Amino acid sequence: GQQVMQIPQYQHVQEGEDFTTYCNSSTTLSNIQWYKQRPGGHPVFLIQLVKSGEVKKQKRLTFQFGEAKKNSSLHITATQTTDVGTYFCAPRMDSSYKLIFGSGTRLLVRP
Amino acid sequence: DAGVTQSPTHLIKTRGQQVTLRCSPISGHKSVSWYQQVLGQGPQFIFQYYEKEERGRGNFPDRFSARQFPNYSSELNVNALLLGDSALYLCASSLQGGAGYTFGSGTRLTVV
Repeated sequence: GQQVMQIPQYQHVQEGEDFTTYCNSSTTLSNIQWYKQRPGGHPVFLIQLVKSGEVKKQKRLTFQFGEAKKNSSLHITATQTTDVGTYFCAPRMDSSYKLIFGSGTRLLVRP
Repeated sequence: DAGVTQSPTHLIKTRGQQVTLRCSPISGHKSVSWYQQVLGQGPQFIFQYYEKEERGRGNFPDRFSARQFPNYSSELNVNALLLGDSALYLCASSLQGGAGYTFGSGTRLTVV
């Protein structure tokens, strides 16, 4: 079955530091989505990556899709307290409508 | 426009009972998916429906069932509730099966 690992499980940073979470799959992915879930909230869609090697930016957030389409990363530059939450990757394989969520990386930011 | 709405927001049931959770997608969204999220874990896929047909099923027992209505709203039914079914149940809708999802605020189910 589809295996997705997301690392690290937790990251505690000082405000202003950078943060990166990685999502690794054992199989080639059709596309991958990223979501953010604030404490007590529900997942909120951030972005979808489809092409091999794709890089997309949203203000301080940079998303990358690996050349082999087996891994992805989310990088936040100069974290702020508003970045607190759990970041999930959600890969999708070809031929499947299932969107499977990774285990998430919980980001804590010290002010 | 209203987002994805789920009802009820909270629910307490006894072991062995049955529960029905409801979801109304964003207007125009034809795909609805259901997820179970246990505290501290990522959402686990239960079902996806598109145009009223089941398009995907996760690794959940047959006690879990769902359907989608002609207006694209959806219900998730869970029979013979177990303590382990206690979780946040999330509904998500999308314009089509492969697009980004918009999640509702969820139904918090507690089984006692």
